[in-house]
Amino acid sequence: GESVGLHLPTLSVQEGDNSIINCAYSNSASDYFIWYKQESGKGPQFIIDIRSNMDKRQGQRVTVLLNKTVKHLSLQIAATQPGDSAVYFCAENSGGSNYKLTFGKGTLLTVNP
Amino acid sequence: NAGVTQTPKFQVLKTGQSMTLQCAQDMNHEYMSWYRQDPGMGLRLIHYSVGAGITDQGEVPNGYNVSRSTTEDFPLRLLSAAPSQTSVYFCASSISLAGGVDTQYFGPGTRLTVL
Repeated sequence: GESVGLHLPTLSVQEGDNSIINCAYSNSASDYFIWYKQESGKGPQFIIDIRSNMDKRQGQRVTVLLNKTVKHLSLQIAATQPGDSAVYFCAENSGGSNYKLTFGKGTLLTVNP
Repeated sequence: NAGVTQTPKFQVLKTGQSMTLQCAQDMNHEYMSWYRQDPGMGLRLIHYSVGAGITDQGEVPNGYNVSRSTTEDFPLRLLSAAPSQTSVYFCASSISLAGGVDTQYFGPGTRLTVL
């Protein structure tokens, strides 16, 4: 999984498997977290967000889990498809300012057919 | 709606040249921002604006200027380009709801090379 401040990790999965991408954040004052997907040559695309008053939020095929005790965020993708291959970034509103998002360095997800 | 548009898509500059990266959105979003993305570094916030006439610095503002004369446009100016500014630049916008940034929509990016 990724952590703000580390090199880009990679995750390779088989089509149809579930994927879990992890993110550690360091600022305990952050209370808003977002996951983005970035395909090659394109801008980041919003996937799902979660506020600190929640532990879990579900979208279409995606679930975000937030563990504030250990400052950990994860993105789960169900039934991963080749179109899910991309770099995934987590972001936090560093210091509690919703206008200053801090992005992690991303995780490259490769889905093998 | 065209969403967030950026021009140019690619640009090569010589050290010391100046240029303006254009960003426009047609969604009537209050909040707009500029990021740069470098290999292995994620996205870093350069400048942002919470409305026309209001701008503020992000994480890496040095060497860049911005202005927000209209809701739609948020240009980023490089006053004197340096090789360290070689990067991919993304503009983003969102509805600024009370208490947060809400969903940010990103433009397609401008790939800038400074020689």
